[in-house]
Amino acid sequence: GENVEQHPSTLSVQEGDSAVIKCTYSDSASNYFPWYKQELGKRPQLIIDIRSNVGEKKDQRIAVTLNKTAKHFSLHITETQPEDSAVYFCAASRTGNNDMRFGAGTRLTVKP
Amino acid sequence: KAGVTQTPRYLIKTRGQQVTLSCSPISGHRSVSWYQQTPGQGLQFLFEYFSETQRNKGNFPGRFSGRQFSNSRSEMNVSTLELGDSALYLCASSFSREGGYTFGSGTRLTVV
Repeated sequence: GENVEQHPSTLSVQEGDSAVIKCTYSDSASNYFPWYKQELGKRPQLIIDIRSNVGEKKDQRIAVTLNKTAKHFSLHITETQPEDSAVYFCAASRTGNNDMRFGAGTRLTVKP
Repeated sequence: KAGVTQTPRYLIKTRGQQVTLSCSPISGHRSVSWYQQTPGQGLQFLFEYFSETQRNKGNFPGRFSGRQFSNSRSEMNVSTLELGDSALYLCASSFSREGGYTFGSGTRLTVV
């Protein structure tokens, strides 16, 4: 089955700096890659996703890039704010097969 | 529209007992997946149901089972509870099997 690795496990940045979280996946058939944000005591929430027919997707301060050849994808957060502090999870699955596997998570801390 | 509803929110059980957790997906969503979340193991995939059929299963023992009803509501059952089953159990639903999960708030199970 799919195996997703996520790095780093913790990340601390100063407010206004950029943050990058990287994930690799093992199943070359995976074609759907979402990112979830989980604040303390709350449910994971989808913040952005990308499908394998595109290489990059942006939504305001958040962007995701995908390299299918290398089987890795990354989350980029620019101009970080204290409210970006949370645990971020990447995931991978094949559309039509909702066997979504998650990375271990990255705890992002944005220092004011 | 209402989100994904999980009941109960908290549960305390004794080793050896069994427990049933409930998940009501967003109206119209037909795919329901279950995850176990623990601090050390992240989000571990339990199983996915679509149209009342289990479509995928993660690497959990047979003590973990589930089902889905004709209205897409799902239940998961854990028999012969062990201390290590203490975790947050999250349910997620999507319209199809094309991704786009929405998570519920989870049921926090404590086994004593």
